[in-house]
Amino acid sequence: DIVLTQRPLSLPVTPGEPASFSCKSSQSLLHSNGYNFLDWYVQKPGHSPQLLIYWGSVRASGVPDRFTGSGSGTDFTLKISRVEAEDVGVYYCMQALQTPLTFGGGTKVEIK
Amino acid sequence: QVSLVESGGGVVQPGRSLRLSCVASGITLSGSGMHWVRQAPGKGLEWVAVMSHDGHEKYYSDSVKGRFTISRDVSTNTLFLQMSGLRPQDTAVYYCAKDHGAGWSLEYWGQGALVTVSS
Repeated sequence: DIVLTQRPLSLPVTPGEPASFSCKSSQSLLHSNGYNFLDWYVQKPGHSPQLLIYWGSVRASGVPDRFTGSGSGTDFTLKISRVEAEDVGVYYCMQALQTPLTFGGGTKVEIK
Repeated sequence: QVSLVESGGGVVQPGRSLRLSCVASGITLSGSGMHWVRQAPGKGLEWVAVMSHDGHEKYYSDSVKGRFTISRDVSTNTLFLQMSGLRPQDTAVYYCAKDHGAGWSLEYWGQGALVTVSS
């Protein structure tokens, strides 16, 4: 199975400031079609997860452009250019390359 | 407007069975890859199973293989998860999710159904 490791586990952030967190895969997530099959999800308190980024860098419908996914192969990063209070939650990466689909352990973003 | 609504959760004794349902609206299951993902209390997300859009492919996590079965009824646009031989470690909120078709990215999620396995 592909193992995803997220860092940090917790990230206190100041509204208006940038934030960045990482996801490292035990295997390359680069598909033969040229896309990296790595997604980012956020689970806000009391809510279901929601898709933010798929294929490593493509924003899902309705996702603000302050969210940017980058990386390739085994190393990926999610950046929030200016954190807003509504961004509080747990951010998970997930590999969609092969079954079993696997998630990272999550990064908890909270306001300082 | 896509909506996924799970039901069928509850408290069940170890070793017993339970069936979860997920009614979809705004999409047709026959055109959608559908998944079950679970989250134990206070824990992260764990993928459980997938059924391909044409219904021909089904895959399971090792932790549920041989005990859980994913199925669907296209006439009622309902996805199911039949769970048997339940264990306390199966206690979780179970989400159904639709993938976006160009891959297994989970584009839409339901609100979840809580399953508690306890004697």
